[in-house]
Amino acid sequence: AQSVTQLDSQVPVFEEAPVELRCNYSSSVSVYLFWYVQYPNQGLQLLLKYLSGSTLVKGINGFEAEFNKSQTSFHLRKPSVHISDTAEYFCAVSAPSNTGKLIFGQGTTLQVKP
Amino acid sequence: GAGVSQSPRYKVAKRGQDVALRCDPISGHVSLFWYQQALGQGPEFLTYFQNEAQLDKSGLPSDRFFAERPEGSVSTLKIQRTQQEDSAVYLCASSLRESHTDTQYFGPGTRLTVL
Repeated sequence: AQSVTQLDSQVPVFEEAPVELRCNYSSSVSVYLFWYVQYPNQGLQLLLKYLSGSTLVKGINGFEAEFNKSQTSFHLRKPSVHISDTAEYFCAVSAPSNTGKLIFGQGTTLQVKP
Repeated sequence: GAGVSQSPRYKVAKRGQDVALRCDPISGHVSLFWYQQALGQGPEFLTYFQNEAQLDKSGLPSDRFFAERPEGSVSTLKIQRTQQEDSAVYLCASSLRESHTDTQYFGPGTRLTVL
């Protein structure tokens, strides 16, 4: 079975500052890793995903994440945030052995302050 | 093009009532997923369809929950005899193929409140 832990429930940050949202996972098999963003009153939107290959993955809106197998982590980063990045961020895993279902963490609220 | 749509967006039910939640996936998408998102939590998997076949229903919390996708497009999640613990946002997602790596596109969800 797989599980995901997002270490911070809320991350406050000032506009134009860098940010890192942390995600750790647990699995006995290889997994695929995803970050989704949920803006208020909107559906979940994929930011980026790691399937294989280069451990540094670039996504939309200037976000990137690095897969670290030894630390079982997939932290999300952005060098300079905007007010519009204020949202809920979810890390998720999927295993090749299952039906493609996503297992999500509890989410991290990113609050960007002016 | 049109994304995943869900209806109704909000549903209030009295305890014991039956409810039906509808999902319209992106046209041509083979895979369809239902998730349940409780307040302040991440989404949790309920069930998965590949076309009209329900291949995984391991996440359905009880036999009061039933899902169908009879023609391989629109799907309905039905909850019988609703309980207060069923209050949550129900999310539907679809993906183009049956591949584990395909992006899942989510609808806006149906917020169910059971009084």
